[in-house]
Amino acid sequence: DTGVSQDPRHKITKRGQNVTFRCDPISEHNRLYWYRQTLGQGPEFLTYFQNEAQLEKSRLLSDRFSAERPKGSFSTLEIQRTEQGDSAMYLCASSLPVSQETQYFGPGTRLLVL
Amino acid sequence: GDSVTQMEGPVTLSEEAFLTINCTYTATGYPSLFWYVQYPGEGLQLLLKATKADDKGSNKGFEATYRKETTSFHLEKGSVQVSDSAVYFCALSDPTGGGNKLTFGTGTQLKVEL
Repeated sequence: DTGVSQDPRHKITKRGQNVTFRCDPISEHNRLYWYRQTLGQGPEFLTYFQNEAQLEKSRLLSDRFSAERPKGSFSTLEIQRTEQGDSAMYLCASSLPVSQETQYFGPGTRLLVL
Repeated sequence: GDSVTQMEGPVTLSEEAFLTINCTYTATGYPSLFWYVQYPGEGLQLLLKATKADDKGSNKGFEATYRKETTSFHLEKGSVQVSDSAVYFCALSDPTGGGNKLTFGTGTQLKVEL
């Protein structure tokens, strides 16, 4: 069990550019979650997958955001036309497909939009 | 909707002092409750959890009891150490809200001094 990994750990970009983040969950975990955490706040839910199906999206996930999990393993989160307000830590978590099961978090990708 | 309220920090304690971090919640169903901890420069780690009323979660000397009557899940530790300095997040997972997404509080920073 190598844990949840995320890449890159840090990303600096200019406003208007597109960015993509990757998350690799724990291998036997079918569920994968994305959260966003801004400074001084708790993480906020963005979206989650069970296998390759995206089952829920938060209203925080504007149309500039898209997430995929094409083969039910790793996932990508893309932000198009980044804005300064997108600056945050983007967290990925995974869990077994059991109700109320513990979610295990990756180290996060810190995005700074200049 | 679901929400979690926890006491604001920072909380500063001397080593070996008693710790309480208050957490109350609002949920439509019967949530599971969690405490996560974030050490400086690291990702979120599960500290403990409780899945039904009157359950007590415990780990590393920390405890929290699921109190349905007061909708609370206060975190306690009898004797804190400098190594406990971190940000602590209370969270809930409510299956009736759809999915297993976590709703977090804003976090409480704990500083333990010698």
